[in-house]
Amino acid sequence: DAGVTQSPTHLIKTRGQHVTLRCSPISGHKSVSWYQQVLGQGPQFIFQYYEKEERGRGNFPDRFSARQFPNYSSELNVNALLLGDSALYLCASSYGQGPYNEQFFGPGTRLTVL
Amino acid sequence: GQNIDQPTEMTATEGAIVQINCTYQTSGFNGLFWYQQHAGEAPTFLSYNVLDGLEEKGRFSSFLSRSKGYSYLLLKELQMKDSASYLCAVVNDYKLSFGAGTTVTVRA
Repeated sequence: DAGVTQSPTHLIKTRGQHVTLRCSPISGHKSVSWYQQVLGQGPQFIFQYYEKEERGRGNFPDRFSARQFPNYSSELNVNALLLGDSALYLCASSYGQGPYNEQFFGPGTRLTVL
Repeated sequence: GQNIDQPTEMTATEGAIVQINCTYQTSGFNGLFWYQQHAGEAPTFLSYNVLDGLEEKGRFSSFLSRSKGYSYLLLKELQMKDSASYLCAVVNDYKLSFGAGTTVTVRA
């Protein structure tokens, strides 16, 4: 069975540009969460989507947005990129949205902002 | 707010035992996860504790004390492949809040 997939694997952008990251959850999973992991730190929660609706948002500026599609895949968009946005962006899927649902992580997208 | 603390680094010898401590102060608590993350890879699930006590799963065990805001991950019979970062994460409703991770280096 396929796990969580993310694309692209790596991405290099310059300051001020916009980026779109994509995530496909495990088949049957309806919840997708996005995390940002800066080198040497633990992942920081950005968004959770469940049944195509935003169910939670972390402490990130409005430059970060996301959406979930009818097939439960998801996109994370970041506008006006800053150097500090350079990080590994992780997507995690789970069957439900509650706390007892194990989250399965994808391999991540490594974003470098120059 | 969320405050989750774990040691930055630990080194141990192959075959030994290592205990990684995690203390937390969070605004809500629905359980605590431990994840393993090899360099450049995604975190993978190791354990989940929601009640006080010890959960054992093969060479890995995890302990939780909710009254003390404390957990530990115990790695037994260390192998070289156990060299990785170990992340403690508290779940509150839908959101995982992670510690910075403990890098464990296993030496021959």
